[in-house]
Parts: sequence; C-alpha cells; structure tokens
Amino acid sequence: DSGVTQTPKHLITATGQRVTLRCSPRSGDLSVYWYQQSLDQGLQFLIQYYNGEERAKGNILERFSAQQFPDLHSELNLSSLELGDSALYFCASSVKGFGIQETQYFGPGTRLLVL
Amino acid sequence: AQSVTQLDSQVPVFEEAPVELRCNYSSSVSVYLFWYVQYPNQGLQLLLKYLSGSTLVKGINGFEAEFNKSQTSFHLRKPSVHISDTAEYFCAVNAGNMLTFGGGTRLMVKP
Repeated sequence: DSGVTQTPKHLITATGQRVTLRCSPRSGDLSVYWYQQSLDQGLQFLIQYYNGEERAKGNILERFSAQQFPDLHSELNLSSLELGDSALYFCASSVKGFGIQETQYFGPGTRLLVL
Repeated sequence: AQSVTQLDSQVPVFEEAPVELRCNYSSSVSVYLFWYVQYPNQGLQLLLKYLSGSTLVKGINGFEAEFNKSQTSFHLRKPSVHISDTAEYFCAVNAGNMLTFGGGTRLMVKP
C-alpha cells in the first residue's frame, strides 16, 4: 500500500458526460501528479500540482482540468468525454515535487470506461 | 526532451530462470532512472531507482538494475524468477519533475 488513495476505483459513463476523479496523497506529500494509462498511448504524464499551484503540464487535453485543494487532495475533471478517453488514470504523490530525484508513489488508479 | 525505450514488449521465461528486461533512454540532461512494477489490476509500485553513486542498484523482490551511461541503458535483472513476478514492468526517467515511461514489458513466468 503506497498511501495514495484514489476514488472511485471504476467509473462507467457515456460520451459527452463529465466525471471527477479524486486523489488523496500520502501524508506529508505536497505534490500530486496525474497520469493516464491507455493501450495505445501507454503511460502519459498529464499534470502536476504542488501545494495548490500548477507546476508542470504534460499531454493534457483542454477538456481535462485539475486542481489541488488546501487539504492537498486533488481532483481531475474530464469533460465532453469521448470513447478514446477510456483509460486507467493514476495519481501519484511526492514530498516536494521539484527535485528530480524524488520518488513518486502511485495510487491504485481509477479505471474509466466511456460507452 | 527525454524518451524511454523498452525493447521487449513481452518476455516469457520459466520459473527459476534468470531474466533481463531491457531499457534504453535518451535525454539531453542528467536523468534519474526508475523501474516500476504493475501487478494485474493494481497500481504502480517502485522496484528500484538510480539517482547517483554505484551503478548497480538493488531493489525489492530480488531485482537489480545496472546504469550504463555510455550505452544509455538501465536494464533490470533477476537471477531466478518466481511465478509471482508475473507482471508488467515499466522503466522511467525523470529529468524535470515528470516521469517519462517506456512502453512496458510484460514478464510472463511459466511453471
């Protein structure tokens, strides 16, 4: 158990809908990262937040957004969902998030299925 | 920009045999290297990491990896695998906050 929690574990929804994925980092970690794992794209970095502020952005679509709250939990919002958004979404956390030596600890993921 | 190539998408091996999972990277800056394992229907678990110092890194579950700067490789090895090692293994580099992952190697251990 990494100490990172994600809810829900599974989510099934329809095209055009909007969903919110939630992540709670390990106790004491200030940084949260979101990754998408799909069959065709593999594991891709989406976005990072550090202590409530956006720190780095990867291959995140404009239909997707994220935020980190004062209690350091984070939410990833996916809107106007398409079939191709079906994937496993991972959250990871690290202590600081600006040292490239830092280890990122991953949650169990949320499996999203768009029908 | 950095990239990671895992040369084998699948590696079948018999139980108690040795295994090597290959990883090559490219980066214009210094990198830090990681191996993660993903068991079926689970998240990613850190196996080992190379930050600096000795190029031979030991991790959990009897795995080790060797950093080779001249060949830009970070291959993962285990001298004797178990059925329970069946999983997907990801090599990753961190050169600026985010992790860049390889495509993964599915290790299939057969009895």
